[in-house]
Amino acid sequence: GENVEQHPSTLSVQEGDSAVIKCTYSDSASNYFPWYKQELGKRPQLIIDIRSNVGEKKDQRIAVTLNKTAKHFSLHITETQPEDSAVYFCAATQYSGAGSYQLTFGKGTKLSVIP
Amino acid sequence: KAGVTQTPRYLIKTRGQQVTLSCSPISGHRSVSWYQQTPGQGLQFLFEYFSETQRNKGNFPGRFSGRQFSNSRSEMNVSTLELGDSALYLCASSNSGSSYNEQFFGPGTRLTVL
Repeated sequence: GENVEQHPSTLSVQEGDSAVIKCTYSDSASNYFPWYKQELGKRPQLIIDIRSNVGEKKDQRIAVTLNKTAKHFSLHITETQPEDSAVYFCAATQYSGAGSYQLTFGKGTKLSVIP
Repeated sequence: KAGVTQTPRYLIKTRGQQVTLSCSPISGHRSVSWYQQTPGQGLQFLFEYFSETQRNKGNFPGRFSGRQFSNSRSEMNVSTLELGDSALYLCASSNSGSSYNEQFFGPGTRLTVL
């Protein structure tokens, strides 16, 4: 099955600096890579995603890059703000048969933005 | 549209008991997936239901089971509870049919096993 590794597990940055979170995956057939943000006590919410036929996607201060050859993808947050503090999860989607697509998650990165 | 809802939000049980958790997906969503979230382990996939059928299953023991009803609402059951079952149980619904479908999560049920 798919295996997703996520680094670092914790990350502290000064407000205004950039943050980068990296993930690697094992199944070359994976074709969809979403990123979820989970604030303390809240549900995970999708913040950005990328398909395997795209190398980079940007949405305001957030961007994701994908290197299919190396099987890794990264989340970049620029001009960080205190409200960016949360746990971020990367995930990879692979086909599991019978019309089912399974998300495999990394173990999460706790991002702390220091004012 | 209303979001994904889960009941109850909190549960305290003792070892050996069983528990049933409920999930109501977003209207029109036919796929419901369940995850176990524990500190340091991230979200681990339990199973997925679609049109009342289990389509996919993760690597959890048979004590974990589920079902889906004709209105797409889903329940998961854990029998013979163990201390290690203490976790946040999240369900997520999606439109299904494509690997690109976003999964929308519920608020979770926090299960504590004493």
